[in-house]
Amino acid sequence: DTGVSQDPRHKITKRGQNVTFRCDPISEHNRLYWYRQTLGQGPEFLTYFQNEAQLEKSRLLSDRFSAERPKGSFSTLEIQRTEQGDSAMYLCASARGQGSAEQYFGPGTRLTVT
Amino acid sequence: AQSVSQHNHHVILSEAASLELGCNYSYGGTVNLFWYVQYPGQHLQLLLKYFSGDPLVKGIKGFEAEFIKSKFSFNLRKPSVQWSDTAEYFCAVIPDGDSSYKLIFGSGTRLLVRP
Repeated sequence: DTGVSQDPRHKITKRGQNVTFRCDPISEHNRLYWYRQTLGQGPEFLTYFQNEAQLEKSRLLSDRFSAERPKGSFSTLEIQRTEQGDSAMYLCASARGQGSAEQYFGPGTRLTVT
Repeated sequence: AQSVSQHNHHVILSEAASLELGCNYSYGGTVNLFWYVQYPGQHLQLLLKYFSGDPLVKGIKGFEAEFIKSKFSFNLRKPSVQWSDTAEYFCAVIPDGDSSYKLIFGSGTRLLVRP
């Protein structure tokens, strides 16, 4: 396994701009998760894909957030009209199969909204 | 809503000291329990997990955790810490029956081990 990769690793943007992050899961991992982590807190669930289907979204995910996973491979998370409160680390994780299999985390994308 | 509490936000120990990090969860049903670790500059990685069976589970690098159902706890222990154990530790749960198997994390404990 080459591991979960995320791009970019850091993003600084001005309030009101749109940003898009990419996650490449471990190949053949059918489940993909996005989490958000703010300073002093643990990661919080945002959304979950099984293959290409987005099966669950957290109430944290406002209308400005959208995620896709075309063809069940990589995933993108877009934030429109960014706000300062969106500043956080965005983590992607992937897992194989069903059940509580281990989730493998990527390095994260740190977003700073100025 | 389900939640996970880690009451120790910062812990400082000297090498060779024993470690115990507390974790309590609020969920009345069956849960799957995890400890993740994040070393400085690295990804979150799994230390150990409990699904069922022996409530004392052993993980990597000499860590172990004990599930006490009556106390809704899953404390992490290590008999003798090393400087290389300096990291942030996160307890997490997946309530049984959650079809997404999303992790619910505690707020983490930063451990600093002094040489």
